[in-house]
Amino acid sequence: SQQGEEDPQALSIQEGENATMNCSYKTSINNLQWYRQNSGRGLVHLILIRSNEREKHSGRLRVTLDTSKKSSSLLITASRAADTASYFCATEGGTSYGKLTFGQGTILTVHP
Amino acid sequence: DAGVTQSPTHLIKTRGQQVTLRCSPKSGHDTVSWYQQALGQGPQFIFQYYEEEERQRGNFPDRFSGHQYPNYSSELNVNALLLGDSALYLCASSLWRWNEQFFGPGTRLTVL
Repeated sequence: SQQGEEDPQALSIQEGENATMNCSYKTSINNLQWYRQNSGRGLVHLILIRSNEREKHSGRLRVTLDTSKKSSSLLITASRAADTASYFCATEGGTSYGKLTFGQGTILTVHP
Repeated sequence: DAGVTQSPTHLIKTRGQQVTLRCSPKSGHDTVSWYQQALGQGPQFIFQYYEEEERQRGNFPDRFSGHQYPNYSSELNVNALLLGDSALYLCASSLWRWNEQFFGPGTRLTVL
């Protein structure tokens, strides 16, 4: 079963706009990670945020984590057509090192 | 430096058959995890191997089994295939108890 929900399920924007995706989860976590997947192939790790962190940046990516609400958001600024992909959040909790529990993903389409 | 490799890329089997999927981890990694991703869903954790032993297992039946070799490569075996086993099977490698996982391109299994 999936850990939680991702919202929206699909997002369509123009190049240059910002894209925000949200993720909610159900159980306590050690960290939350975001991955990108192009055309149903392998996943690419984007960013990891630990449970004691509230915000993290990496290039055009900004991730926030609110453990009291069990939610996270991924912001992609100044999006590009190459950002078109599916984005997944994944949680790692307790002593389950390496056991990632994924959400259902958000399909992002960036129009040139 | 080669990343995670998986073989074969695609596979077509019929119900009741058995299948073996293979994974070579990223150089320097000692831990391999397997995930099943049904169409339109997020990946689901099958199991994790470290030091040639299964360390964690997700909610999958015993028809799913695995193996890890001394060179850290791994196999996923599925017996008595069902139509519902049709999915993308992803292998991920990491260092033991390290958060970031590197995913391979996946094997697309179709069961007819």
